[in-house]
Amino acid sequence: AQKITQTQPGMFVQEKEAVTLDCTYDTSDQSYGLFWYKQPSSGEMIFLIYQGSYDEQNATEGRYSLNFQKARKSANLVISASQLGDSAMYFCAMREAYAGNNRKLIWGLGTSLAVNP
Amino acid sequence: DAGVIQSPRHEVTEMGQEVTLRCKPISGHDYLFWYRQTMMRGLELLIYFNNNVPIDDSGMPEDRFSAKMPNASFSTLKIQPSEPRDSAVYFCASSFKGLWEQYFGPGTRLTVT
Repeated sequence: AQKITQTQPGMFVQEKEAVTLDCTYDTSDQSYGLFWYKQPSSGEMIFLIYQGSYDEQNATEGRYSLNFQKARKSANLVISASQLGDSAMYFCAMREAYAGNNRKLIWGLGTSLAVNP
Repeated sequence: DAGVIQSPRHEVTEMGQEVTLRCKPISGHDYLFWYRQTMMRGLELLIYFNNNVPIDDSGMPEDRFSAKMPNASFSTLKIQPSEPRDSAVYFCASSFKGLWEQYFGPGTRLTVT
């Protein structure tokens, strides 16, 4: 069964340092994609970054990059130069193989990140 | 550009009452999703629509829950009758067929007493 695992319930990082949030996935599909979302204390879910399984290079969006290691089935989020505003819950999600209208995402339970000044 | 709009933002109701949550997706998006988030169960997909047609409602907890999308710019999630265990944050999200990412509304925090 398809599954997303985020093993770090809570993480701390010093402001301006880089941090890696772990995500491993399990799927038998050849075509799939991985997402990261941020949920600050205000509650909204914010899309950060996406990587498809056939994408050659790791996705980057500003200070966010996705360290995609297909053989290890991991899709870790790297945040460079952490800022206080990065304190939030971070969710990893996976899309199932595209089939018709299938747009379901499989979600992890999240990692809480606290950035210390 | 306006994002996904949800109303109300907070709802407090008594057990047994009907609750209606509303959602306006991003203009031009043709997928609409309803999620529920609780501490115990995390984020759960309840139902999603494509071009106003329900595609998968396997996540709807029981017959007390129903969802409709009468047009491309409006959807409702109704709970009748509500129970305390329905207390959660309910999110609506939308996406465009050419992209995989879903864009979420601010959520409705429902409390059933």
